[in-house]
Amino acid sequence: EDQVTQSPEALRLQEGESSSLNCSYTVSGLRGLFWYRQDPGKGPEFLFTLYSAGEEKEKERLKATLTKKESFLHITAPKPEDSATYLCAVEAPDSNYQLIWGAGTKLIIKP
Amino acid sequence: DAGVIQSPRHEVTEMGQEVTLRCKPISGHDYLFWYRQTMMRGLELLIYFNNNVPIDDSGMPEDRFSAKMPNASFSTLKIQPSEPRDSAVYFCASSSGLAAGELFFGEGSRLTVL
Repeated sequence: EDQVTQSPEALRLQEGESSSLNCSYTVSGLRGLFWYRQDPGKGPEFLFTLYSAGEEKEKERLKATLTKKESFLHITAPKPEDSATYLCAVEAPDSNYQLIWGAGTKLIIKP
Repeated sequence: DAGVIQSPRHEVTEMGQEVTLRCKPISGHDYLFWYRQTMMRGLELLIYFNNNVPIDDSGMPEDRFSAKMPNASFSTLKIQPSEPRDSAVYFCASSSGLAAGELFFGEGSRLTVL
């Protein structure tokens, strides 16, 4: 069964303390992996698309990387405004626009 | 662009009542998705439309749920009759279709069924 697992469930960091979030998947023939950010009371906000192993995307303090079995979202020198839940989703072959979503990692950055 | 617009933002109703949620997608987007989010099950795709036509409604939990898209700028999700287990946040999202996973979500409608 195709699955997406995110870890850790929650992560507390001090401002400026870099770390990484993990998204592992068991989909064969990945068509795309997507990272979203969700603030409380808001809808998910699209961040990145990754298509093939070795690919990297960056935006401000965030960098997403992809291997054949997992993706990492690296957060460098985070600020309190980076606090949010980060969601990962994958598109499988023949998925017909059905994404498989992870449960998310809740990130808290303390000043 | 104003983004995806959903209404109402909050709805509290009693079991058995009809609930209608509304969505205006981003202009020019050909795909519209209805999702439900709960703590227990996360994000679940209920139904999606392409050019106003329902393509996949396999995620609609049961016949009490129905969705329509009468034109490119408006969609509704209706629950009749509502039950307490329908309590969740319902999101509408739209996409240009160029990449299946690049969705633009609205702020959601939080439904509480008493």
